Amino acid sequence: TQLLEQSPQFLSIQEGENLTVYCNSSSVFSSLQWYRQEPGEGPVLLVTVVTGGEVKKLKRLTFQFGDARKDSSLHITAAQPGDTGLYLCAGAPGNQFYFGTGTSLTVIP
Amino acid sequence: EAGVAQSPRYKIIEKRQSVAFWCNPISGHATLYWYQQILGQGPKLLIQFQNNGVVDDSQLPKDRFSAERLKGVDSTLKIQPAKLEDSAVYLCASSARPTGTGGNTIYFGEGSWLTVV
Repeated sequence: TQLLEQSPQFLSIQEGENLTVYCNSSSVFSSLQWYRQEPGEGPVLLVTVVTGGEVKKLKRLTFQFGDARKDSSLHITAAQPGDTGLYLCAGAPGNQFYFGTGTSLTVIP
Repeated sequence: EAGVAQSPRYKIIEKRQSVAFWCNPISGHATLYWYQQILGQGPKLLIQFQNNGVVDDSQLPKDRFSAERLKGVDSTLKIQPAKLEDSAVYLCASSARPTGTGGNTIYFGEGSWLTVV
């Protein structure tokens, strides 16, 4: 059983389309983080959300933390080929830091 | 500022052989993590150190995996004997503060790619 479940697991879309990735848990998190990982590289932090209901925008990426702090979403507007990668949510319900199951995104030019 | 350094980047070994991975965290970072990542999946925490003490190793297969951080700085992860299912990327990461501390950021190395044949 994974602590953080992401959906969808795989996503292949055309350039210019919008998409949303979901991260769900039965545990409450004080904060959740989103990472992007490109092939051959380690994960790189995109954003940290800390307040229930919080919405953060990073250019074309919009991150939302659920009111109950058990879930989060990542929305990408007008996806570009450079957005291709593995998107990971992550957080620490205690003193261990866990990653989600991952969403592999491919944006086709 | 130098990032998290890992070596080797790539390793191919036969099953039942042994392998060791080395990690040097960012200077001053007290917390060090080792993760195993199967291709296309999220990283799985193997072991977490706070200075030279183990915080969590509940998902470390202790019959074949071992890790140490003797002086609280760099760390070594060893696999002996390796199995085919150990083929994965082994990511080392570090953070300045313990997990769960507000404002803590975890930095990752590029990973060590292991193929067991």
